Amino acid sequence: DAGVTQSPTHLIKTRGQQVTLRCSPKSGHDTVSWYQQALGQGPQFIFQYYEEEERQRGNFPDRFSGHQFPNYSSELNVNALLLGDSALYLCASSLQGGLTFGSGTRLTVV
Amino acid sequence: EDKVVQSPLSLVVHEGDTVTLNCSYEVTNFRSLLWYKQEKKAPTFLFMLTSSGIEKKSGRLSSILDKKELFSILNITATQTGDSAVYLCAVGGMGTSYDKVIFGPGTSLSVIP
Repeated sequence: DAGVTQSPTHLIKTRGQQVTLRCSPKSGHDTVSWYQQALGQGPQFIFQYYEEEERQRGNFPDRFSGHQFPNYSSELNVNALLLGDSALYLCASSLQGGLTFGSGTRLTVV
Repeated sequence: EDKVVQSPLSLVVHEGDTVTLNCSYEVTNFRSLLWYKQEKKAPTFLFMLTSSGIEKKSGRLSSILDKKELFSILNITATQTGDSAVYLCAVGGMGTSYDKVIFGPGTSLSVIP
């Protein structure tokens, strides 16, 4: 039973560029949440997708957007990258709660 | 604004010691308190607590919730080097697919031989 898979594992981008991160949820899970974890901090909630709609959103600017597909997989898009966007981006899937995390994408903005 | 606070933020102990990690919270619409262990990347689930005063145990780890004082502790007895990790406390929902989970900053635990 595959858990949550994220791609890519590492990414280096230049300030001002755009990036897309991908997440495949655990089999049977219908909800995907995205978190940003800066070094030495706890994960910060970005948004949550359920039934292909954004259901909840944290305190992140509109540069952060997402999408959920009919197969429940999800993408996180970040436009106009800033140096401060460098972080570990975690995807978590759930079915009525109980988050299961992927291993994350380490994004470095230079 | 929803807030989860953890203390201490970092801790160094010797193998065999017992540690207590603290978590306090201020959130609307509380449903559950969660503990996760993060060693490298993916946080792994430890406990979910929904009722006050009922201790959850798993091997050398145990946790309890006080909903009146908005507080939880995670205890680790007879620590081992493999317990070295960041321990995350989170508060959120377990009842619907709409609930978001809010994390604290984590406690970084280092267990030295």
